[in-house]
Amino acid sequence: AQKVTQAQTEISVVEKEDVTLDCVYETRDTTYYLFWYKQPPSGELVFLIRRNSFDEQNEISGRYSWNFQKSTSSFNFTITASQVVDSAVYFCALISNTGNQFYFGTGTSLTVIP
Amino acid sequence: NAGVMQNPRHLVRRRGQEARLRCSPMKGHSHVYWYRQLPEEGLKFMVYLQKENIIDESGMPKERFSAEFPKEGPSILRIQQVVRGDSAAYFCASSLPGALSYEQYFGPGTRLTVT
Repeated sequence: AQKVTQAQTEISVVEKEDVTLDCVYETRDTTYYLFWYKQPPSGELVFLIRRNSFDEQNEISGRYSWNFQKSTSSFNFTITASQVVDSAVYFCALISNTGNQFYFGTGTSLTVIP
Repeated sequence: NAGVMQNPRHLVRRRGQEARLRCSPMKGHSHVYWYRQLPEEGLKFMVYLQKENIIDESGMPKERFSAEFPKEGPSILRIQQVVRGDSAAYFCASSLPGALSYEQYFGPGTRLTVT
């Protein structure tokens, strides 16, 4: 069975603070892919990153960084120096190499207060 | 290079009416996936279709919901006799034949409100 857990339902931070969004996943597959999506108030899904299960290198893209740790089945997302435009719902998702469907977490709603 | 298109973007139906949601995949994509996002939840898989075939409908509610992807035209998700609990955002994704599992590209979603 595949499962993604985002334990943080809502987070509020003040602008310029750093914030980490947690994601824990479960899968029995050895080859799988992890994703983060952003869903702004307009509702569409914005792709942020994909990681495959064989690549545990952390990644940084501007103010965004991701920490993938297979030992703890976690794929956490950090926003450095948050901005108001970062306010959105963020989803972590998993798909196996052999599967047809994404498994999404329930999302973390981030509010950045100016 | 149009992406996945969904229409309408917003749909309001009264209880008991039918809702038809359309998904036009990206050019060359012949696989379509439908997902439902209930309020305050993540997306959940409903059905996977190829042209004229339903491949996996393990996430579809047993009654009132159906999906098709004809040889010509968009994929249609149909909900008969809608109830308030059907209010949700419905996303479709598409992929190329032979694509890797994760190569699904999401549309902007259709927000269905049942009054």
